[in-house]
Order: sequence, then C-alpha cells, then structure tokens
Amino acid sequence: AQSVTQLGSHVSVSEGALVLLRCNYSSSVPPYLFWYVQYPNQGLQLLLKYTTGATLVKGINGFEAEFKKSETSFHLTKPSAHMSDAAEYFCAVSDNPNSGGSNYKLTFGKGTLLTVNP
Amino acid sequence: EAQVTQNPRYLITVTGKKLTVTCSQNMNHEYMSWYRQDPGLGLRQIYYSMNVEVTDKGDVPEGYKVSRKEKRNFPLILESPSPNQTSLYFCASSLSFGLAGEQYFGPGTRLTVT
Repeated sequence: AQSVTQLGSHVSVSEGALVLLRCNYSSSVPPYLFWYVQYPNQGLQLLLKYTTGATLVKGINGFEAEFKKSETSFHLTKPSAHMSDAAEYFCAVSDNPNSGGSNYKLTFGKGTLLTVNP
Repeated sequence: EAQVTQNPRYLITVTGKKLTVTCSQNMNHEYMSWYRQDPGLGLRQIYYSMNVEVTDKGDVPEGYKVSRKEKRNFPLILESPSPNQTSLYFCASSLSFGLAGEQYFGPGTRLTVT
C-alpha cells in the first residue's frame, strides 16, 4: 500500500521568504503525486500534480514541486511567501497505472500547516 | 458554477440516531469519494464509487454506508452514529476513476456525535 510522509506538521515563514514543504513517498515504483491546499473552513483544492514527463511541475499561485526519484521526494516550494498562502497543505499519492497499479485510490499525508508572518 | 455541494454543513446529533449527509456534483463526474479529516491524521478515505451502482470500501469504512443510484449524488449514511465518528467529512469527485488523483472537494460537513 502506498504511504506518504510530510515532514513537519507546522512550518512558519516570514512574508517574502522561501516556502519549502517536504513530502516523501514509500513506493518502489514512482507513483502519481499531488499537492492539495486547504484554506481555513474550505475544502481541498488541487495545487499541482506529477504523473509523467518533466520532473519540475508548476501549479497555481506560484507554487512548484520537483519529483526526485532517487530521493523518493516531491517537495513543494514557492520563492516568496505571501500572507494569502497561509493554509494547510497535503501531499497525496496514487499508484501509477503504467506499472500495473490502480490509480483510483488517493492516499494523503497528514498535512503541513503553513503560517506566514508579516 | 462547477461544484460539489454537501448538506448539512454542520450537524450535532446523539449516539444511535441515524443520519445522512448528502453530496451532489454538477460536473457529470464518474468518480466520487468520501473522506474524514481528523487532527493529526490527515484525510482518510471512507468509501468511493467509480460509477453508478459501483461502490467500494476505502480505508475506514466501518460504521458507514453509501449508495450511488444516480451519477450526481453520493450520500453518506451513518446508521448508528457513535462519538468516535465525530469528524470533518469531505465529499469529492473526479471526471473518472483514471483521474482519481484530480479531485474536486466539497466544503465539508462538521459532525459532532454526543
């Protein structure tokens, strides 16, 4: 079964600073990878995804993530934090169907709460 | 507007009193899913449905039932709620089960069972 680990349940940055949220997956076969964001009192929203192709993927609101197979990681970054980025971020994985897996099940990490200080 | 709606948004009930949380999507999506979110545990899948009349258990199905009689609706039923089912519940949908990673989420239902 897939599993995903998010290092740091709470990350605090200053406005304008680099945002780095860490995500590692456990599968020996690269899965499909996703980052979702949850703003206060709202549902989750897809930020970006990696399935195949370019390992650096860009998402909404200036976020990007890089898939590193050798490190089994998919860390989320943003060069300059904005107050509006304060939210909880979830990394998620599903099996890669090209490797015989079933990609209809999404497994979420436990989330990282991002606080942005003025 | 394309959306997933859930009702009610907030519910306080007592142990053993049957309840239903409705979920509806207007995007003609095939795949729908229910999650519960608990502090420190992230989101855990309860049930999912790949299409009408096709449902299957997720990671934490005990104490819940679902049905998918119509494509747009996917209600979550708690036959006999217990306090350990106090949680924040999310319904989600995606175009197909092949795109299950790209889900649209509803706004959530906060359930308290006393």
